[in-house]
Amino acid sequence: EAGVAQSPRYKIIEKRQSVAFWCNPISGHATLYWYQQILGQGPKLLIQFQNNGVVDDSQLPKDRFSAERLKGVDSTLKIQPAKLEDSAVYLCASSWGSGSNYGYTFGSGTRLTVV
Amino acid sequence: GQQLNQSPQSMFIQEGEDVSMNCTSSSIFNTWLWYKQDPGEGPVLLIALYKAGELTSNGRLTAQFGITRKDSFLNISASIPSDVGIYFCAGHGGNQFYFGTGTSLTVIP
Repeated sequence: EAGVAQSPRYKIIEKRQSVAFWCNPISGHATLYWYQQILGQGPKLLIQFQNNGVVDDSQLPKDRFSAERLKGVDSTLKIQPAKLEDSAVYLCASSWGSGSNYGYTFGSGTRLTVV
Repeated sequence: GQQLNQSPQSMFIQEGEDVSMNCTSSSIFNTWLWYKQDPGEGPVLLIALYKAGELTSNGRLTAQFGITRKDSFLNISASIPSDVGIYFCAGHGGNQFYFGTGTSLTVIP
C-alpha cells in the first residue's frame, strides 16, 4: 500500500512570506493529522481532521495557520505570514484501525526554513 | 499539549550491546506506540501496544505496556549500526496521541 505522500520535501522562505504544504493520506484512512516538529523535540499536533471535518485544532495558531481537507482526502496546510519560529518539519499522518486497535502512519515531512 | 517524559535523552553504545529506554506519563493511556525517526524522514512505527501488561516483540525489539498504564519501555537487543536514530514513544489519551521528547541512539561499530 502506498504511504502518506507529502510535498514539497523542503522549502526555504523569507519571514512574512506565505507557504503551503500538501498531504495525501493512505487510501481509506478517514483521519488525517498535521504535526509540527521543531528540531530536538517530539511532534506536536496542530490539527486533526475526521473526513472533511475538524476534530481538534486547539493548538493551531489560527492567526497565521490554516488547514483544509475539502473532499475528505488530501489536505493543505498554509502559513501566512511566516515567522522565524515556524522553522520546523511539518508532518502529516493518517490513522488506521477501529475500536481499540489503531495507530498512525507518517509521511516523510516537509522541512520549512524561514530566514 | 501534554509531553511525555522519555529517557534517556541520548545513548552512545557499542555495537552488539542491548538498549533500554522508557516513557512515563502523569496520565493514563490506552495505547502506546513506539516510533523510529531517521534524519530527514518521518517517524516509522515499530511496535503498537493496546493492553496494560502487554509485551510485544518485533525482531530484536521488545516493548511493554506498563501495568499502571502510565509508562512503557522499549528494548533493543544486540544493537547494530542501522539502529541509529531517534526513538519516540507516543501515548493515546483523549482523542489524540502525545509524543515523548525522543531518545537519540548512536551505535559505535
